[in-house]
Amino acid sequence: DADVTQTPRNRITKTGKRIMLECSQTKGHDRMYWYRQDPGLGLRLIYYSFDVKDINKGEISDGYSVSRQAQAKFSLSLESAIPNQTALYFCATSDASGSIYNEQFFGPGTRLTVL
Amino acid sequence: AQSVAQPEDQVNVAEGNPLTVKCTYSVSGNPYLFWYVQYPNRGLQFLLKYITGDNLVKGSYGFEAEFNKSQTSFHLKKPSALVSDSALYFCAVIPRGGKLIFGQGTELSVKP
Repeated sequence: DADVTQTPRNRITKTGKRIMLECSQTKGHDRMYWYRQDPGLGLRLIYYSFDVKDINKGEISDGYSVSRQAQAKFSLSLESAIPNQTALYFCATSDASGSIYNEQFFGPGTRLTVL
Repeated sequence: AQSVAQPEDQVNVAEGNPLTVKCTYSVSGNPYLFWYVQYPNRGLQFLLKYITGDNLVKGSYGFEAEFNKSQTSFHLKKPSALVSDSALYFCAVIPRGGKLIFGQGTELSVKP
C-alpha cells in the first residue's frame, strides 16, 4: 500500500551494528505495528503503538526497540544486530475509529540481512 | 494457547478450477477472522474479514470465505482461479481483546 512507506527497502549489516528501520504513513491512522516475517512462521508482532504516547511490546520484542516520533512515523531499532534477526520486516497501520478490530494496511517491507 | 493453523504449505490449482485455502483457529471466545494476500516483493493486502453475521463473507478479487464455528474454520474460496491469484495467503485472527495472530501462510500456485 503506497500510503505506508518503509525505508530502507533492503539492508545488509554486520553483527553488532545498530540499525534503524523507518515507517511513515499518510493514512492518518493512530495505530501502528512492526512485524517480522520468517519463512514458515508467518508474521510475528514485535511492537505496536496505539497513539503517540503509547508503546507496547509484542510477541518477540527482545533485541528490538521502537520510537513513535509522530502520528505518522514509527521506527524500529535493532540495538546490536545478530544474524537471527535476518528477516523481512513489515510496518502496518490501522484505523482505531469504529472498531478496534479494523484491518491493517501494510508497507512494502524491509529485507534485513545480518552477517 | 491461541493459534491459527494453515494445514497446507502449498496449494496447486489449474486455472479455471475452484480453489480452497484452509484455515483453522483455536482461540477463546468469538474471534475476528481475516485473510490477507502477499504478492512477491509486496506487503500484505487485506482480502476480507469476518466479524459477525452471515457466515459467508465476500471480499476483494472474487474471493470469499466461510466461517464455521463448530469446526473453528475460516476457509478461503474462489469459484474460478486465475493465474494472477498465485501468491502467499495468510489467515489471521484477533481474539477478543487480543492482537492479530497470523497463520504460517499457504503458497497458492495457479497453473494455466
